[in-house]
Amino acid sequence: NAGVTQTPKFRILKIGQSMTLQCTQDMNHNYMYWYRQDPGMGLKLIYYSVGAGITDKGEVPNGYNVSRSTTEDFPLRLELAAPSQTSVYFCASSYSTGTVDTQYFGPGTRLTVL
Amino acid sequence: QKEVEQNSGPLSVPEGAIASLNCTYSDRVSQSFFWYRQYSGKSPELIMSIYSNGDKEDGRFTAQLNKASQYVSLLIRDSQPSDSATYLCAVGSGNTPLVFGKGTRLSVIA
Repeated sequence: NAGVTQTPKFRILKIGQSMTLQCTQDMNHNYMYWYRQDPGMGLKLIYYSVGAGITDKGEVPNGYNVSRSTTEDFPLRLELAAPSQTSVYFCASSYSTGTVDTQYFGPGTRLTVL
Repeated sequence: QKEVEQNSGPLSVPEGAIASLNCTYSDRVSQSFFWYRQYSGKSPELIMSIYSNGDKEDGRFTAQLNKASQYVSLLIRDSQPSDSATYLCAVGSGNTPLVFGKGTRLSVIA
């Protein structure tokens, strides 16, 4: 049981480039999330999904896109990268049947935009 | 706007002492409460979850919940230098994503 996996671990992008951060979970969780965490700061929710085909915006969605075609995968797309998107990105998943339960986090992707 | 408030710290305690971390939340109908530990450069990991009023103990950790006061705390007994980390409080209500506090940085001095 790998839990939540994320790739890549590190990435450096130039301004204006695009990339996709991959996230996969093998716990059959219906909910998945993307957060960003700037140095010394708390977690900020970017997007989340309550099941395949359903996504919703979080607190800071601008500059990002997501899709959820399967239960297992929840990729995050950055279009036209900007220095303000330099951050650590965490994917998480949880199971909910009425109340959201424990969220399990992936190891994170450290992204630098220069 | 649902809010979860934590003192950012740093909270410094000597090795072997009890560390007390506190969290208040704004949504009165919150149902689930979590404490996560995050080491520098790592992802958050779950320490404790609590759903009913009272205390819940797990080893050196005790979570305390008081829904009337909208307050949840984490006590760490016999604190060790390895407990030095940022502790995140998270609160859940219904099917909406957990709301996380900004975290309290704990430093255990040997």
